[in-house]
Amino acid sequence: GENVEQHPSTLSVQEGDSAVIKCTYSDSASNYFPWYKQELGKRPQLIIDIRSNVGEKKDQRIAVTLNKTAKHFSLHITETQPEDSAVYFCAVQGGSNYKLTFGKGTLLTVNP
Amino acid sequence: EAGVAQSPRYKIIEKRQSVAFWCNPISGHATLYWYQQILGQGPKLLIQFQNNGVVDDSQLPKDRFSAERLKGVDSTLKIQPAKLEDSAVYLCASSGQLDTQYFGPGTRLTVL
Repeated sequence: GENVEQHPSTLSVQEGDSAVIKCTYSDSASNYFPWYKQELGKRPQLIIDIRSNVGEKKDQRIAVTLNKTAKHFSLHITETQPEDSAVYFCAVQGGSNYKLTFGKGTLLTVNP
Repeated sequence: EAGVAQSPRYKIIEKRQSVAFWCNPISGHATLYWYQQILGQGPKLLIQFQNNGVVDDSQLPKDRFSAERLKGVDSTLKIQPAKLEDSAVYLCASSGQLDTQYFGPGTRLTVL
């Protein structure tokens, strides 16, 4: 089955700095790569996603890059704010049944 | 648009007892997922329904877990008998024609 690795497990940055979280996956047939943000005690919420026919996608301060050859993708958050503090999960979907395999998460702390 | 609804939000039981969780997906979403999220980890797919048929239940511990989606809308997940290691948040998600999954608030289960 799909194997997703996510790094780092924790990340602490100063407000205004950038944050980068990376994920690698094993199944070259995977075709959809969403990122979820989960605040303490809340549900995971989709913040950005990318499909295999695109190399980069940006939405305001958030961007995702995908390297299909190397089988890795990254989340980039610029101009971080304290409200960006949360756990971020990458996920990978492959095949035809829309099954998502999640990474173990990154706890991002943005210090004011 | 109403989101995914789940109940109860919290449940405390003793080991060997039974428990059931309910999920109502976003209206019109044909695909429904149940995930188990253990503290500090990413969500793990337990079972996926397409309408009222099971698409993937490969990670469902079938000796104690069962799930159904009789009319292709609401779903219930049951654990019988519960073990200590079943303590987790049980998340329900749904998706429509696109593969984006939307999560409910989850049920936090504590097994004593």
